Amino acid sequence: SAVISQKPSRDICQRGTSLTIQCQVDSQVTMMFWYRQQPGQSLTLIATANQGSEATYESGFVIDKFPISRPNLTFSTLTVSNMSPEDSSIYLCSVPTSRQVTETQYFGPGTRLLVL
Amino acid sequence: EDQVTQSPEALRLQEGESSSLNCSYTVSGLRGLFWYRQDPGKGPEFLFTLYSAGEEKEKERLKATLTKKESFLHITAPKPEDSATYLCAVQASSGGYQKVTFGTGTKLQVIP
Repeated sequence: SAVISQKPSRDICQRGTSLTIQCQVDSQVTMMFWYRQQPGQSLTLIATANQGSEATYESGFVIDKFPISRPNLTFSTLTVSNMSPEDSSIYLCSVPTSRQVTETQYFGPGTRLLVL
Repeated sequence: EDQVTQSPEALRLQEGESSSLNCSYTVSGLRGLFWYRQDPGKGPEFLFTLYSAGEEKEKERLKATLTKKESFLHITAPKPEDSATYLCAVQASSGGYQKVTFGTGTKLQVIP
C-alpha cells in the first residue's frame, strides 16, 4: 500500500490570502487526485494531477482558484487562492491502488483549512 | 447524474448490538461500489469493492452486500473501535476515477 503524507495538517487563514498544500507519496504514481470534503458533504474531486502535463479540473473548479503543480511522480501541490470562508474544508490527496480503472484509492490524512 | 444516498446519517449502537448501514445509488452503469472507513482527522481507508448484484465481501465484523439499487454494510457485534464514518462510493462504467461519486457517509458510534 502507498503511504501518503500531507502538509500542513491544518491551518487557519485570513480571507484573501493563499495556502499551498503539499502531498508526498512514498512510491511513484502516474495520477494523483485532489479532493475537497466540506462539512456535511461528500468528497468532491477537484482535479487530477498528471506528471508532465496540465492538471485536469472537474466542473466547478478552475485553475486560477486551485492551481496545481506536479513536478515529479511522488509529489504534488494544491494552492487555494484568494481564500474566502466558503473554502473552509478538508483537502485530501489520493492515488490509485493500481493501474486498473476499477481499483480504489489510497487517501492522505487531509489538510483541515479554516478561513476567517 | 450519478447519485449516492447513505442512511442513516448517524447511528449509535451499544457494543454487541448488530445493525446495517444503507447505501442507495443511481448510476449510469455500475463498474464498482466501494466502502471506505474514515476516522476523525484521517483520510478514508478502503474496505471493500463490490462489482455485481448478489456479491458479498466480509472483513472481521463487517459484511458488505450489493443489489441493483443499494448496498448494505452489516456490522455484527460491533466494538467501540468500529466507531467511524463509513463512506459509500460508486464508479460509473463510463469513466475512470473521475466518475467516482461519494455519499455523505454514516457516522457510527459504538458505546461500550
